[in-house]
Amino acid sequence: QSLLTQPPSASGTPGQRVTISCSGGSSNIGSNGVSWYQQLPGTAPKLLINNNNQRPSGVPDRFSGSKSGASASLAISGLQSEDEADYYCAAWDESLNVWWFGGGTKLTVL
Amino acid sequence: EAQLVESGGGSVQPGGSLRLSCAASGFNFRSHAMNWVRQAPGKGLEWVSYITTSGSSIYYADSVKGRFTISRDNAKNSLYLQMNSLRDEDTAIYYCVRDSVSRWFSYFDSWGQGTLVSVSS
Repeated sequence: QSLLTQPPSASGTPGQRVTISCSGGSSNIGSNGVSWYQQLPGTAPKLLINNNNQRPSGVPDRFSGSKSGASASLAISGLQSEDEADYYCAAWDESLNVWWFGGGTKLTVL
Repeated sequence: EAQLVESGGGSVQPGGSLRLSCAASGFNFRSHAMNWVRQAPGKGLEWVSYITTSGSSIYYADSVKGRFTISRDNAKNSLYLQMNSLRDEDTAIYYCVRDSVSRWFSYFDSWGQGTLVSVSS
């Protein structure tokens, strides 16, 4: 059970733009930075976005993040087949002193 | 480049114990807080535990509190997870994860390949 809510699935065709939402509360997303992780099948997760909208070096600028209040979003533009993966949001909860992950969103490229 | 290599996973009966290790290299280990994150088969990510650079502050998920103990040895560039009173629901891949901070906010910027823990009778 996670306090961060993501849609279980999302889909798009090559070249399209898709967004994945992550909803939390005032003590987690509302008070701290959100990070996003991409997990390709059979591999360890990889950092995609940190501090709501910062891309680590090596992450294509097709990936972008945003946050408003207690919700965050990951946007992927120019969708490619290799983007098919599971995506997770995460945030520290300062009231409970725990990290929360969203339940994950499975992205399918049609 | 940071490298994290977990070891110590395996099969254990319910109620048993295991100790996971994580060997860190390629970065200044003593300058980073560390975490354990797990993933049950076919399920999502679940944060397990966090330890500060010196080990002075430690946090656990409610699901493992009182049964798991995180520790580190900065001289050996190593992170550990002692798991006692294991339950079926602890079956998962356990990842060693580096914590980094930017503008006061933390994130997980380096992950190991994971080690599988299987709890079953």
